[in-house]
Amino acid sequence: ETGVTQSPTHLIKTRGQQVTLRCSSQSGHNTVSWYQQALGQGPQFIFQYYREEENGRGNFPPRFSGLQFPNYSSELNVNALELDDSALYLCASSLGQESYEQYFGPGTRLTVT
Amino acid sequence: GQSLEQPSEVTAVEGAIVQINCTYQTSGFYGLSWYQQHDGGAPTFLSYNALDGLEETGRFSSFLSRSDSYGYLLLQELQMKDSASYFCAVRDKGGATNKLIFGTGTLLAVQP
Repeated sequence: ETGVTQSPTHLIKTRGQQVTLRCSSQSGHNTVSWYQQALGQGPQFIFQYYREEENGRGNFPPRFSGLQFPNYSSELNVNALELDDSALYLCASSLGQESYEQYFGPGTRLTVT
Repeated sequence: GQSLEQPSEVTAVEGAIVQINCTYQTSGFYGLSWYQQHDGGAPTFLSYNALDGLEETGRFSSFLSRSDSYGYLLLQELQMKDSASYFCAVRDKGGATNKLIFGTGTLLAVQP
């Protein structure tokens, strides 16, 4: 059984640029959630995808968008990057909307300069 | 608003017992989870309480009191590898979303 994987591991971008982060969910998991974790803080919920549909959104602006593909992998896109977007971006997969256990990937460390 | 309060840091010695408290104030509540995160690593699931009482999983136990909006994680027989950040997280099923609202985390340092 393959765990949750994310790519790239690290990324450096310039303010105003766009970025795409990728996540492969654990085998059989159809629900993917994205979180942003600033240094020294807990993860903050960005949005969730269930069977390719956005299933809920946290307090993030529309320049944060995502996709989920038929194989349940997912992308997080961030447009017009700001310095405050520098953070660890975590993807978590779970088996269905009723599962209380989420399996996290190792994250992508994004630095915006 | 929604908030989860945890102590920022706790220090203990190997072999000891430590309790990490969590109080929460959220608009929706379906359960309290605990996650462990080593520096630079992925959060990993430790336990979940949906009902009041104590849940035990090996050296770790978790407690919930919904009437007090309070829970704690109890770590026994501490080992050096337990040094990590510990997060409580409320499972909120507002609408159709099954999301986690995390606290700011407790950094546990285990000393020899």
